[in-house]
Amino acid sequence: AQSVTQLDSQVPVFEEAPVELRCNYSSSVSVYLFWYVQYPNQGLQLLLKYLSGSTLVKGINGFEAEFNKSQTSFHLRKPSVHISDTAEYFCAVRNSGYALNFGKGTSLLVTP
Amino acid sequence: DAGVIQSPRHEVTEMGQEVTLRCKPISGHDYLFWYRQTMMRGLELLIYFNNNVPIDDSGMPEDRFSAKMPNASFSTLKIQPSEPRDSAVYFCASRRGTTNTEAFFGQGTRLTVV
Repeated sequence: AQSVTQLDSQVPVFEEAPVELRCNYSSSVSVYLFWYVQYPNQGLQLLLKYLSGSTLVKGINGFEAEFNKSQTSFHLRKPSVHISDTAEYFCAVRNSGYALNFGKGTSLLVTP
Repeated sequence: DAGVIQSPRHEVTEMGQEVTLRCKPISGHDYLFWYRQTMMRGLELLIYFNNNVPIDDSGMPEDRFSAKMPNASFSTLKIQPSEPRDSAVYFCASRRGTTNTEAFFGQGTRLTVV
């Protein structure tokens, strides 16, 4: 089964600063990649997805991610974060059976 | 649509008791997934269904866990008997079975076994 690795368990950042959350996936013929966000005591909400086509994917809340096949990466970025972006972020890859394999998550903490 | 609906939101039970978690997927979705989230292991897939049929239950940790989907609008995850190490947040998710659709998650059930 395909898998993803999130390289940072916690990322502290100041408000209005840029942020990058890193994700690497195991190589395969084709991959479908996702980023989900989880706010405290909530379920997971889709931020963005890469299925095919343009390698730069734009999502909700000003987030974007770039699919890099040569580096097997799918890093999430935002040019200027807000306090409200404080949450847990999960990278995921879909297996051939349609289930998602999630990374361990990255806790983003935005402070004033 | 109201989204994926899980009940209860919180469950506290004593070790050895039977626990039943419930999920109503989004109407028209033909895939349903059960995940478990813990600090130690993150999000783990337990089982998933397609058109009410279990497809992969290799993530179910033990025989104490069982899941059913009697119809397209309802699924249960049962733990009998429950143990303290089963304490976790259990998520249900559903999706339509086309390539470019994502899974939608419920709010989760926080289970505490004491």
